Amino acid sequence: GQNIDQPTEMTATEGAIVQINCTYQTSGFNGLFWYQQHAGEAPTFLSYNVLDGLEEKGRFSSFLSRSKGYSYLLLKELQMKDSASYLCAVMDSNYQLIWGAGTKLIIKP
Amino acid sequence: ETGVTQTPRHLVMGMTNKKSLKCEQHLGHNAMYWYKQSAKKPLELMFVYNFKEQTENNSVPSRFSPECPNSSHLFLHLHTLQPEDSALYLCASSQEAGEYNEQFFGPGTRLTVL
Repeated sequence: GQNIDQPTEMTATEGAIVQINCTYQTSGFNGLFWYQQHAGEAPTFLSYNVLDGLEEKGRFSSFLSRSKGYSYLLLKELQMKDSASYLCAVMDSNYQLIWGAGTKLIIKP
Repeated sequence: ETGVTQTPRHLVMGMTNKKSLKCEQHLGHNAMYWYKQSAKKPLELMFVYNFKEQTENNSVPSRFSPECPNSSHLFLHLHTLQPEDSALYLCASSQEAGEYNEQFFGPGTRLTVL
């Protein structure tokens, strides 16, 4: 079967760095997405990786290793507004998104 | 209006009621999606429409009936639902289905079935 694993919840301190991991087993691979979802709001696109390596976009970076079936989202200089759920999703061979259950990130002052 | 909008934002219904959820996208996209999001569970893809044609039905019970009259509008008709159908129903759109395209989500309809 297809499976996406990510931690259920993480806590970090304002101003610090946090890494959210995602491992996957899917039938085929056409890229990995990270989305941010604030409580009661729509998921919004953060990043897309299809090749191995690190993609940096401001305070957020996303890393992919296809051989290991592994990705992480790195958030630097954490702000209170970063408190949200972070969803990892893999596009399989049929170009369908397979989603993880999301990681709830709690930022403390 | 911009982006993807959904109405109503909240809905409470009894098991014998019939109701409809509406989604509209203002992005000029050709693919639209219905997802179910339950607490602490992955998003579940329900239906996909590409150029108004249904291309995916992920074994969704017949008490959920989608309708896509044009590329900008998507409906989910609900009847004789069960309490376990209570969830957040998200609509999304993308340029096309079946290839890489970022999906844009609406804010969802929070459905409670009594």
